[in-house]
Parts: sequence; structure tokens; C-alpha cells
Amino acid sequence: AQTVTQSQPEMSVQEAETVTLSCTYDTSESDYYLFWYKQPPSRQMILVIRQEAYKQQNATENRFSVNFQKAAKSFSLKISDSQLGDAAMYFCAYRTGGGADGLTFGKGTHLIIQP
Amino acid sequence: KAGVTQTPRYLIKTRGQQVTLSCSPISGHRSVSWYQQTPGQGLQFLFEYFSETQRNKGNFPGRFSGRQFSNSRSEMNVSTLELGDSALYLCASSLSPGTSVDTQYFGPGTRLTVL
Repeated sequence: AQTVTQSQPEMSVQEAETVTLSCTYDTSESDYYLFWYKQPPSRQMILVIRQEAYKQQNATENRFSVNFQKAAKSFSLKISDSQLGDAAMYFCAYRTGGGADGLTFGKGTHLIIQP
Repeated sequence: KAGVTQTPRYLIKTRGQQVTLSCSPISGHRSVSWYQQTPGQGLQFLFEYFSETQRNKGNFPGRFSGRQFSNSRSEMNVSTLELGDSALYLCASSLSPGTSVDTQYFGPGTRLTVL
């Protein structure tokens, strides 16, 4: 079974600074997708960014980018120019390419933005 | 385009009762997945429906069931409620599972409290 590990239960960063959230996963599949979701206190889960395993280029979405290291099974999220609205729980998630199962989530990282 | 909607947003039930939760996917999305979120277990996959057929199922007892209608709307049912069923139930929709457009978008969730 696939597993997703987020080793940082909580992270704190100053507004306008850069922060990196870690995620590692374990799988024997070669075709899969990785995601970062954000869940603010309102509880609505929001997609931040996604990465296809077959793509070597790291995905970026405005201030959000990933460092995808396939051999190391690592998928970290970098948030640049942190804003107060970035404060939330961040979940790393995995899904096989064939979609044989649902999303497998990590336990989450609580990101605090210090003004 | 409207997002994923879930009704009701909050529910209070007592042990032994049953409950039905509803989810309307994003227009055009044909896949609906359900997840349970608790502080102890985190986010766990319940099941996925596509074209009115259950495509995948997580490791939950048979008290948890679901269905999907021809308009892609989905319902999940929990029978003989237990205290441990108290959770946030999240619904997610995607265009087509197991494809390059298989990205799940979440609804706001239904908070179920079992007394």
C-alpha cells in the first residue's frame, strides 16, 4: 500500500519570507500523481498544485512551486513571499495513475504565518 | 462554474440512527469520491463512483455505502451510527478518474456529530 509522510506537524514563517514543506511517499508504481492541498480554518480543501510523475519539470503555480525528486520519492512544496492568507493545514496527497484507489493523504502540516 | 456542493453542512445524530449525505459535483464532472476526516485518523478514502458504478472502495465497514445518480450527484449513507463516525465527510469530484485530467476538487464538507 502507498503511504505519504509529512514529517513537520507545524511550521512557522514570517510574512513575505519563503517556507518549504516536506513530503515523502512510498510506492512501487511508476505512474502516479502527487498533489498539495490547502485546508484553511473554513475547512474547504483547496488544490494548490499537482505534479505528474512522468514529468521531470517541477510544477509551479504563481508563488507555489514543488521540488519533485522521483528517485528519492520526495515532493516538497515551496511557498515564496508568504502571505497571511497562506495560513492553513497543508496536505500532501498521492494517487496512482490508473486511479485504482482514492487519494492517499499525509497527516498534514499546520502552517503559521507571523505578521 | 459552481464548485462542489454538499448538503447538509452540519448534522447531529444519535447512536444507532442512520444518515444520508449528499454531494453535487462540478458541472461536467462524472466522478465523485468520498473521504472521512477525523483528528485521529486524518483523511481516509471511503469510496469513488463513476458513471453510477462504484469504482473503488476504501477500508470501511459495510455500514458505509453510497450511490451515484445519472446526473452524477452522489449520496453516502451510514447506518447504525457509532460515536466513532463523528467526522467531517468530504466529497470530491473529478472529470474522469485514471486519466491525465484526474484532479479532485473538494466540497466544503458535512460535519457529522454522533451523540
